[in-house]
Amino acid sequence: GAGVSQTPSNKVTEKGKYVELRCDPISGHTALYWYRQSLGQGPEFLIYFQGTGAADDSGLPNDRFFAVRPEGSVSTLKIQRTERGDSAVYLCASSLVGLTGEGYTFGSGTRLTVV
Amino acid sequence: AQKVTQAQTEISVVEKEDVTLDCVYETRDTTYYLFWYKQPPSGELVFLIRRNSFDEQNEISGRYSWNFQKSTSSFNFTITASQVVDSAVYFCALSQEGAQKLVFGQGTRLTINP
Repeated sequence: GAGVSQTPSNKVTEKGKYVELRCDPISGHTALYWYRQSLGQGPEFLIYFQGTGAADDSGLPNDRFFAVRPEGSVSTLKIQRTERGDSAVYLCASSLVGLTGEGYTFGSGTRLTVV
Repeated sequence: AQKVTQAQTEISVVEKEDVTLDCVYETRDTTYYLFWYKQPPSGELVFLIRRNSFDEQNEISGRYSWNFQKSTSSFNFTITASQVVDSAVYFCALSQEGAQKLVFGQGTRLTINP
């Protein structure tokens, strides 16, 4: 597609439930990133994929968070046993070869609300 | 550890005024990259500029200009003759050489009033 697509755009879930957030990167982009943006804050890095593998998952806050990219294109961020503190906008970004001259292209995000 | 500080939480000016957004960073690396992104109400982060640590020349792009000063660890962004469409949240960010992640500041919400 023309840009990075994230679905759903909004998700409301109950505390303790499992959620999946999807990211469809720009076609041909090998690098994919997930960030989390809490209200009034800058985005915080979660995980980076190069192809199918997670090259850097140092930003995942705990083992309730997991992400996959099985075919090197679409990625899914999975959150188990959601907590109210997980409420945030989850941003996905992609780039052709990494963090190069123009940074990366971000999607519009998924706003997750845990009630 | 790397850190980016944007001390101005919110700025409000009248259209056509010039406005400067401040960014101060901390890093122990000698090679690093600095970025500015714009986040309009739609939520997407839009890339504005990338600067490497060895290039201290100021950059101008239309009404936008950036002042990078290693001596004060600052990378400030100025909008000249501001317009209502410039209203957005602006983020400064930092990355290490070879790293793929960005460390963002808290952002400055800029409102341009007609």
